[in-house]
Amino acid sequence: QKEVEQNSGPLSVPEGAIASLNCTYSDRGSQSFFWYRQYSGKSPELIMFIYSNGDKEDGRFTAQLNKASQYVSLLIRDSQPSDSATYLCAVPLSYGQNFVFGPGTRLSVLP
Amino acid sequence: EAGVTQSPTHLIKTRGQQATLRCSPISGHTSVYWYQQALGLGLQFLLWYDEGEERNRGNFPPRFSGRQFPNYSSELNVNALELEDSALYLCASTRGFEPQHFGDGTRLSIL
Repeated sequence: QKEVEQNSGPLSVPEGAIASLNCTYSDRGSQSFFWYRQYSGKSPELIMFIYSNGDKEDGRFTAQLNKASQYVSLLIRDSQPSDSATYLCAVPLSYGQNFVFGPGTRLSVLP
Repeated sequence: EAGVTQSPTHLIKTRGQQATLRCSPISGHTSVYWYQQALGLGLQFLLWYDEGEERNRGNFPPRFSGRQFPNYSSELNVNALELEDSALYLCASTRGFEPQHFGDGTRLSIL
């Protein structure tokens, strides 16, 4: 089992819809979880982080964490074409290599 | 606060040559990560430096090497360049289990 897994996509949603991006991780000792957005040809930028079980909202973004299920998700409400990018889930491990990125999910928001 | 800076922005080399890429972390950050991202592919972990020591390396041949200096800046050296080394090389800095922050990357092209 890989340490961080994501559906590669592409995930296509119409403009204005909710985009749901999912991530699972294997290290039960992980305590913090990050979402990055990467536009084509650019470097990843941090958009959300979550440390506690439950939901965390920031504008149109909501991160959800379920440590028992080892599952973290990112919801994007009122999706815009400018949200079209690859979204990376990142998890600092409690052992070995400190930081692991998932393979990313490519999101396409259709006008 | 200055972000992560990488130099050069672009680097063009021929097969068999050597390349040196540089990274300056955010002030206060002690860890530097290097990643390779080939066109259209995900982040591939290369090297992790923390407090001047190499902590882990990804599945790359020994011709990929680097170091971290006392001021926490870092350089990545790639010897005996091959065509498949053409990629965007990203540096990220962090401290402990805080999120990583990325530089804009160095685009290495091998002719």
